[in-house]
Amino acid sequence: AQTVTQSQPEMSVQEAETVTLSCTYDTSENNYYLFWYKQPPSRQMILVIRQEAYKQQNATENRFSVNFQKAAKSFSLKISDSQLGDTAMYFCAFMPDSNYQLIWGAGTKLIIKP
Amino acid sequence: SQTIHQWPATLVQPVGSPLSLECTVEGTSNPNLYWYRQAAGRGLQLLFYSVGIGQISSEVPQNLSASRPQDRQFILSSKKLLLSDSGFYLCAWSVVLNTEAFFGQGTRLTVV
Repeated sequence: AQTVTQSQPEMSVQEAETVTLSCTYDTSENNYYLFWYKQPPSRQMILVIRQEAYKQQNATENRFSVNFQKAAKSFSLKISDSQLGDTAMYFCAFMPDSNYQLIWGAGTKLIIKP
Repeated sequence: SQTIHQWPATLVQPVGSPLSLECTVEGTSNPNLYWYRQAAGRGLQLLFYSVGIGQISSEVPQNLSASRPQDRQFILSSKKLLLSDSGFYLCAWSVVLNTEAFFGQGTRLTVV
């Protein structure tokens, strides 16, 4: 079975610090996609960043970047210069190429302190 | 640009009453459509997905059903709600055969 594991239920850092959220997954597929979604208190689910498994280069979106280690099946999210607005639940998700259904981790609650 | 609308935002229903949550997508054709449920403080559980009109796949056995009467309309229903149906329901769409999902604003359902 394909699974996604987020081992950090909750994290908190000071504003402007850098924080890394971990995500590991288990699959026998070779082609797939990985995503990080953010869910602020408003409950809106917002895509933060995506990574295609066939790409070796790590994806970046402004202050957000990933460390994708395919052999280790690891997909961590790094948030640089964290801001108060980054406070949210962060979900890692995996989509196999075979059926295009998202498989979700349990989430990490990130709190940015002023 | 594409947009997704989901309503209502909140709903309180008595046990045994029917349910109908509606989701519509604008600005795209033949999207994949999804209904998810999110328990408090938890990840998302896929309930149903649809790759076309009238095509519904169910991921978990439950008290709910889904329908897709039109290309960009996805409805989540129940004939008789249970207390365990309470939760946060999210509708989402994605481009067929690829890419990330885009979510509606969600419906908080409380069954009392």
